[in-house]
Amino acid sequence: AQSVTQPDIHITVSEGASLELRCNYSYGATPYLFWYVQSPGQGLQLLLKYFSGDTLVQGIKGFEAEFKRSQSSFNLRKPSVHWSDAAEYFCAVGENTGNQFYFGTGTSLTVIP
Amino acid sequence: ETGVTQSPTHLIKTRGQQVTLRCSSQSGHNTVSWYQQALGQGPQFIFQYYREEENGRGNFPPRFSGLQFPNYSSELNVNALELDDSALYLCASSLVGNNYGYTFGSGTRLTVV
Repeated sequence: AQSVTQPDIHITVSEGASLELRCNYSYGATPYLFWYVQSPGQGLQLLLKYFSGDTLVQGIKGFEAEFKRSQSSFNLRKPSVHWSDAAEYFCAVGENTGNQFYFGTGTSLTVIP
Repeated sequence: ETGVTQSPTHLIKTRGQQVTLRCSSQSGHNTVSWYQQALGQGPQFIFQYYREEENGRGNFPPRFSGLQFPNYSSELNVNALELDDSALYLCASSLVGNNYGYTFGSGTRLTVV
């Protein structure tokens, strides 16, 4: 069965520091992988997605993620975090039918000055 | 272009009651999905509608039902509310075939007391 694990419930980083959020997935076929961000009281905003091809994908707001098939991972990175990046981050797997996401439980990011 | 609009923003209901949540899809989109996000959890897929028919369903009981209208707006109905139904309900719309090009609404926060 498809599933997504985000092992870090909460992460705190200093503004300007680098960031890596971990995501591991379980999926039988080639996965469609996503990272979403959710600010308080807001819906989900897509940061980036991976379907195929280059395993390093660039997204919005300076985020990138790397797909590693051997490790079943799709970790999100940002070289320098801004205070406005504080939010909840969700990793998701999409079925290749195109109609259902499986989300992880999320990682809450706090940015300290 | 307008995004996805959900109403109401917040709602309090009593256990055993029925509730209807509404969603207006983004202009040009013809598919709508509903997700339940319990506190501290990732969103879970309830169902998807396309051409006014259910097009996939997650692990939710039949008391969760939906409608999609000719203008692609949608409703989520929940009967016999239980305390565990308290959650943020997210609507997401897309254009079928647009490989996971979903736009999420800000959600309806339902509290069952």
